[in-house]
Amino acid sequence: AQTVTQSQPEMSVQEAETVTLSCTYDTSESDYYLFWYKQPPSRQMILVIRQEAYKQQNATENRFSVNFQKAAKSFSLKISDSQLGDAAMYFCAYRGFSGQFYFGTGTSLTVIP
Amino acid sequence: ETGVTQTPRHLVMGMTNKKSLKCEQHLGHNAMYWYKQSAKKPLELMFVYSLEERVENNSVPSRFSPECPNSSHLFLHLHTLQPEDSALYLCASRLKLDSYNEQFFGPGTRLTVL
Repeated sequence: AQTVTQSQPEMSVQEAETVTLSCTYDTSESDYYLFWYKQPPSRQMILVIRQEAYKQQNATENRFSVNFQKAAKSFSLKISDSQLGDAAMYFCAYRGFSGQFYFGTGTSLTVIP
Repeated sequence: ETGVTQTPRHLVMGMTNKKSLKCEQHLGHNAMYWYKQSAKKPLELMFVYSLEERVENNSVPSRFSPECPNSSHLFLHLHTLQPEDSALYLCASRLKLDSYNEQFFGPGTRLTVL
């Protein structure tokens, strides 16, 4: 089974600064999707960004971008110009051929005013 | 609001109680999921339904019983739970089981078993 590892249980960033959340995964598949989800204190998890493994170009969504290193099986999330509303749990997820999603343990991000 | 709603948002129950969690989506999705979220653990997939048929059951104890009467509604019936079942239970939906679309999550039900 695929595994997703988030090695940073907690991170903090000063408002307006940049922070990078790390994620690694283990798979033997060549085609898959990777996701970052955000779960604010209200608990509803929402999609932040998605990356298709066959695309070499890193996905970006406004202040959110990823650094996808397929060979290293690494998928980090960079948040630029951090805002107070970015404070949340962030989950990295893998979706492969089987259709099942595999999630990491999450990183709790605190934004310091 | 992502279109997936869950009720109740909070539930406290004794070990001998019977209760049900409800999930509803009006996104036109065909696949629905139940997850268990515990602190410091990855989300645990419990059940997957596609077009009202259960397609996956990840060795979940029988005290959890899912029901999917139609593609918009999903229930999780609870009976004789244990304190270790206390967790956040998340419902999610997706357009199709075999699509690469993301999952849309509900806000969850915070369950406490006394």
